Amino acid sequence: DAKTTQPNSMESNEEEPVHLPCNHSTISGTDYIHWYRQLPSQGPEYVIHGLTSNVNNRMASLAIAEDRKSSTLILHRATLRDAAVYYCIRLGTGNQFYFGTGTSLTVIP
Amino acid sequence: NAGVTQTPKFQVLKTGQSMTLQCAQDMNHEYMSWYRQDPGMGLRLIHYSVGAGITDQGEVPNGYNVSRSTTEDFPLRLLSAAPSQTSVYFCASRRDRLSNQPQHFGDGTRLSIL
Repeated sequence: DAKTTQPNSMESNEEEPVHLPCNHSTISGTDYIHWYRQLPSQGPEYVIHGLTSNVNNRMASLAIAEDRKSSTLILHRATLRDAAVYYCIRLGTGNQFYFGTGTSLTVIP
Repeated sequence: NAGVTQTPKFQVLKTGQSMTLQCAQDMNHEYMSWYRQDPGMGLRLIHYSVGAGITDQGEVPNGYNVSRSTTEDFPLRLLSAAPSQTSVYFCASRRDRLSNQPQHFGDGTRLSIL
């Protein structure tokens, strides 16, 4: 199974960009990279996913390293509502989604 | 759109009681899974199913049973509840077993075992 590593916590000032890193050095060539977030007292919420190219959607951008051993979730302008735990997903051999402990993002007003 | 629906939202059980947590999705998704989340921790995979009639174990399957008789439903059974099973349980679904599909989550069932 692939493994992921994320910092336990990060802080950002409101309205500034946030770069959340993830190392997935054992990822296989066909595995997609997924990010989810969990707001307090809610279920996980899909954020973004990608394979090789950088991806953008209304919530965030995903920058994938050329060797695919790391990725960065980019929130372009952090708001207080973005305070959450962000998970970079580890895929199992059967494409199960495994969650680590994630990165707890604090947004400072 | 209902998405992934979990019932009940809250439940209190006594040790040794049995219970079924219900999960239903209306998106015709083949792949469904159950997770538990303990305070301050990430989600841990209990069981998953790649389609009707097919189930498999995740990281923490002990004490839980599942079945998948229809595409829509994926119930999780606690045969003899233990205090260690006090947790928040999340059900999830996605279109199929491929990793290029986003996963959709229910709102969770908060279960307390006394």
